[in-house]
Amino acid sequence: KNEVEQSPQNLTAQEGEFITINCSYSVGISALHWLQQHPGGGIVSLFMLSSGKKKHGRLIATINIQEKHSSLHITASHPRDSAVYICAAYNNNDMRFGAGTRLTVKP
Amino acid sequence: NAGVTQTPKFQVLKTGQSMTLQCAQDMNHNSMYWYRQDPGMGLRLIYYSASEGTTDKGEVPNGYNVSRLNKREFSLRLESAAPSQTSVYFCASSFGYLEGYTFGSGTRLTVV
Repeated sequence: KNEVEQSPQNLTAQEGEFITINCSYSVGISALHWLQQHPGGGIVSLFMLSSGKKKHGRLIATINIQEKHSSLHITASHPRDSAVYICAAYNNNDMRFGAGTRLTVKP
Repeated sequence: NAGVTQTPKFQVLKTGQSMTLQCAQDMNHNSMYWYRQDPGMGLRLIYYSASEGTTDKGEVPNGYNVSRLNKREFSLRLESAAPSQTSVYFCASSFGYLEGYTFGSGTRLTVV
């Protein structure tokens, strides 16, 4: 079993839909990191959070430390949100990554 | 502001050859990292440097060496390349705990 599991693996949505991507981890962490990898391969750091919730624009990340679970939500999804979303369990400079969720938003 | 610059972007090596991947950041970040990304495996940490003058092994360090030349630069060396090292390599940097990472654009390395 992988240390970091994401679901779903693939997700197709219509523009405007509310998106949820889930991340469960089995290792001890000091923070949970959400990243976005664009179709061209570039990687962007979205959030690092150790508790509660963080919001940036249409993106919201939540974490439940007791349940070892985090979610990434995208409100009013847009085709430009199409990318692979990756969560990673961070502890003392080491990160263990999930395999990613490939999101396609259709116009 | 260039962020994190990696060179080269593409490289083909023959088995047994050596090469150094270069990474430089201009954001005054303390921590720097090297990752590899393989299909179906996700990103894996090779080495990191929490501050200038220190380096530590990550999840998959075998076959690699690193140098934190100064605060800006963190290089990754393959002494004797093997086909198993065919991958996309990413360098990243960060101020530290709970600070987001900035990634380079990646180096696609093929070892034949």
